[in-house]
Amino acid sequence: NAGVTQTPKFRILKIGQSMTLQCTQDMNHNYMYWYRQDPGMGLKLIYYSVGAGITDKGEVPNGYNVSRSTTEDFPLRLELAAPSQTSVYFCASRRVSSGNGYTFGSGTRLTVV
Amino acid sequence: GENVEQHPSTLSVQEGDSAVIKCTYSDSASNYFPWYKQELGKGPQLIIDIRSNVGEKKDQRIAVTLNKTAKHFSLHITETQPEDSAVYFCAATANQAGTALIFGKGTTLSVSS
Repeated sequence: NAGVTQTPKFRILKIGQSMTLQCTQDMNHNYMYWYRQDPGMGLKLIYYSVGAGITDKGEVPNGYNVSRSTTEDFPLRLELAAPSQTSVYFCASRRVSSGNGYTFGSGTRLTVV
Repeated sequence: GENVEQHPSTLSVQEGDSAVIKCTYSDSASNYFPWYKQELGKGPQLIIDIRSNVGEKKDQRIAVTLNKTAKHFSLHITETQPEDSAVYFCAATANQAGTALIFGKGTTLSVSS
């Protein structure tokens, strides 16, 4: 049981480049989330999805886009990378019927230079 | 929206001592309060949670208390061990459609032997 898998683990981008952070879960969870973590700031919600085809903005969505074409996958897209997007990104999921426990991936450390 | 404050930001204790981390929340609709432990280079791991219909919950050396009137909840770790050293996050959510966990900024706990 792999849980929540994020790729890549590390990435360096140049300003203006684009990339997609991948997130896959194999637990058949309905809800999926993207958070970013900056030092001393906790985790901030970027986007979330309550099911395939449904996404919504969180606290800090600017500069990001998401899609949810399947239950398993929830990729996060950065179109024009900026230094302010340097962060560690975590994907999480949960099954509605099992309560509220979130399962987190191991994160993607992104540096924009 | 919900706002979660967490204190202290850093906490140093001797092995065997107790550690207490406190959080306050702003949204009276919040009804689920988990605590996560994050070790270096890893994603957050759920260690204990409490719902608004319960005042206290224990799991071996870890306990969480909730005061709904004052809108605060606390994590208590007894008989601390070096392996308890990590960053701890509290979070809150109203568990309604369209909501997600809102996190505190974290507490870095250091247990010295």
